[in-house]
Amino acid sequence: DVKVTQSSRYLVKRTGEKVFLECVQDMDHENMFWYRQDPGLGLRLIYFSYDVKMKEKGDIPEGYSVSREKKERFSLILESASTNQTSMYLCASTSQGLAGSLPGEQFFGPGTRLTVL
Amino acid sequence: RKEVEQDPGPFNVPEGATVAFNCTYSNSASQSFFWYRQDCRKEPKLLMSVYSSGNEDGRFTAQLNRASQYISLLIRDSKLSDSATYLCVVGNTGGFKTIFGAGTRLFVKA
Repeated sequence: DVKVTQSSRYLVKRTGEKVFLECVQDMDHENMFWYRQDPGLGLRLIYFSYDVKMKEKGDIPEGYSVSREKKERFSLILESASTNQTSMYLCASTSQGLAGSLPGEQFFGPGTRLTVL
Repeated sequence: RKEVEQDPGPFNVPEGATVAFNCTYSNSASQSFFWYRQDCRKEPKLLMSVYSSGNEDGRFTAQLNRASQYISLLIRDSKLSDSATYLCVVGNTGGFKTIFGAGTRLFVKA
């Protein structure tokens, strides 16, 4: 059974704290993604990675950074948490298609609900 | 204008009803299309891909209209277990980015 796991389901942090969200997938997928989901806005892409040590900014990267030191692990870092980063954070992975192929199914982790006070 | 737009609903329908959702996208170069389902407090999961010729999976039918830039999802004979949020997802060739709509909520009542 394919699996994407996230380090925490619920997290409460204080403004200014450094926050680490971890994501691990066991499907040997090349591509990994971090999204945040907010009511009425849907899923918005923060960062994605298509290979170890490679990263690309998504639509809302400000205030976030990422790390991918191993293929199976993709970390999201909030350098200095702020209240507007309170959200549901979802990690996803997908396999690499051949050059020019279409993006395929994304497998999601259960999400981390982060509250910044 | 959002890249992918959906009617947020909610759609409240009785069991056995047929319900249809539409989703419009703004990028005419979009090449791949999906419907995902998200249950309350759960992660999204792929429901079905949407092909140019349209496709059907049991009670679910997906259609693509490239000329008008919309995709649709039809659910026949609704079940209580169909209650969820349905997310429209659009992707482009050669890229890894997919754009998610905000979702349409469906409530099926006995």
